[in-house]
Amino acid sequence: GESVGLHLPTLSVQEGDNSIINCAYSNSASDYFIWYKQESGKGPQFIIDIRSNMDKRQGQRVTVLLNKTVKHLSLQIAATQPGDSAVYFCAEKPNAGGTSYGKLTFGQGTILTVHP
Amino acid sequence: EAQVTQNPRYLITVTGKKLTVTCSQNMNHEYMSWYRQDPGLGLRQIYYSMNVEVTDKGDVPEGYKVSRKEKRNFPLILESPSPNQTSLYFCASSLFLLSGGPYNEQFFGPGTRLTVL
Repeated sequence: GESVGLHLPTLSVQEGDNSIINCAYSNSASDYFIWYKQESGKGPQFIIDIRSNMDKRQGQRVTVLLNKTVKHLSLQIAATQPGDSAVYFCAEKPNAGGTSYGKLTFGQGTILTVHP
Repeated sequence: EAQVTQNPRYLITVTGKKLTVTCSQNMNHEYMSWYRQDPGLGLRQIYYSMNVEVTDKGDVPEGYKVSRKEKRNFPLILESPSPNQTSLYFCASSLFLLSGGPYNEQFFGPGTRLTVL
């Protein structure tokens, strides 16, 4: 498949372990955050989102934590499976209003490898 | 099937030859956006559109144009492509980009691999 990144942070885990992927965002005014998963050769796929007025949000096997004090976002994947192997991106929406309302800025991504 | 389609999927062209990459969605989404993806740089937003006839610049709009004459289509136009526009391009759409709600999921197209010689 296509290479989506060079020198990206990597995380290797064993099947069944829990995974934690971290993201430092840049804009303290960002009010909305999203995690995406991108498998080799495919477009990004939405995983979970969170507003800035929340600290935590849970989905199926995934949890997103938001720490606004240190501008940090994390994605926790429970019982990681080989099918979870992919590049994971966080994205932030700045609360700039006006014509910047639709902007979305992505992080560089983290490569997750799950070993059977 | 709900989807975002892009054409072409692969394109090799030469510097200065105008080209258009089409994007179409069948989900009646208001919001559409174009991104480019380069190794080590992640996804960077080129342009986005909140609705028909409403478009705005993303982080890397230079050298690109877009139009949104109909809700379903959002073509990306390179008037005079240059080698630094060689990249993997993604189109995406969502119902609309909210500050957190049930319909924020962005659906991405399969990507267009563009090479400018």
